[in-house]
Amino acid sequence: ETGVTQTPRHLVMGMTNKKSLKCEQHLGHNAMYWYKQSAKKPLELMFVYSLEERVENNSVPSRFSPECPNSSHLFLHLHTLQPEDSALYLCASSRRQGTEAFFGQGTRLTVV
Amino acid sequence: GDSVTQMEGPVTLSEEAFLTINCTYTATGYPSLFWYVQYPGEGLQLLLKATKADDKGSNKGFEATYRKETTSFHLEKGSVQVSDSAVYFCALGNAGGTSYGKLTFGQGTILTVHP
Repeated sequence: ETGVTQTPRHLVMGMTNKKSLKCEQHLGHNAMYWYKQSAKKPLELMFVYSLEERVENNSVPSRFSPECPNSSHLFLHLHTLQPEDSALYLCASSRRQGTEAFFGQGTRLTVV
Repeated sequence: GDSVTQMEGPVTLSEEAFLTINCTYTATGYPSLFWYVQYPGEGLQLLLKATKADDKGSNKGFEATYRKETTSFHLEKGSVQVSDSAVYFCALGNAGGTSYGKLTFGQGTILTVHP
C-alpha cells in the first residue's frame, strides 16, 4: 500500500472513445504528477500540479486533458487517442517542500 | 538541465551473487537521490534515498552512497534473491526554487535473478 490509488488498473478503449483515469492520495501531499511509461522508453513526465494549479505541461498532446479538483484527486481525461498512446500511466504525489514521490500502481491503457 | 544516467541492462545474475547497478547524475544545486524499484505489473516503489553528500541509503539489503565528488549513486546488494528480479530506476530530485519536488529518472535497469 503506497497511499496512492489509481483506477482503473486496466483499460481498453477505442480511438473514438472518451475515458478518464483517476488518482487519489491520502498522504497530505500538495503536488501530484502524471507519468507515461512505454515499453523500451524512459519514464515521461506529462503533467505536474502543485496546490491544484498546473505548473508543468511537457508538450503533451491535447487529447490528454488533466484535472485536479483538489489536492487529493487527479484525473486524466482521454479522448480520440492513438494506438501509440497505449502505455502504463502512473500517478504520483509528493510533499510540497520534499522531492520524494510516491507512486500508484498505474493504469495499463490499451488503445485499439 | 538535470539528468540521470544508469548502466544499460538487462543484468542477469545467479542467486546470492553480488549486484551493482551504476548511476551517475548531473544537476545544479544540492539534489536528493533515490532508487526506485518496479516489480512486474506494478508502479514504482521507493527503495532508498539519500539527501546529501556522503549519506548512505539502505533498505532490504540494498545500499547506495551519495558521492558528490564522482556525481554517482550506485546501487549495491551483497547477495541477490530471485525475488529481487525487477526494474530499478535511479532518480534525482531537485526542488531548487520551485515549490514542489520534481524527479528526473534514469532509463531503468532490468534485473533478472536465476535460482
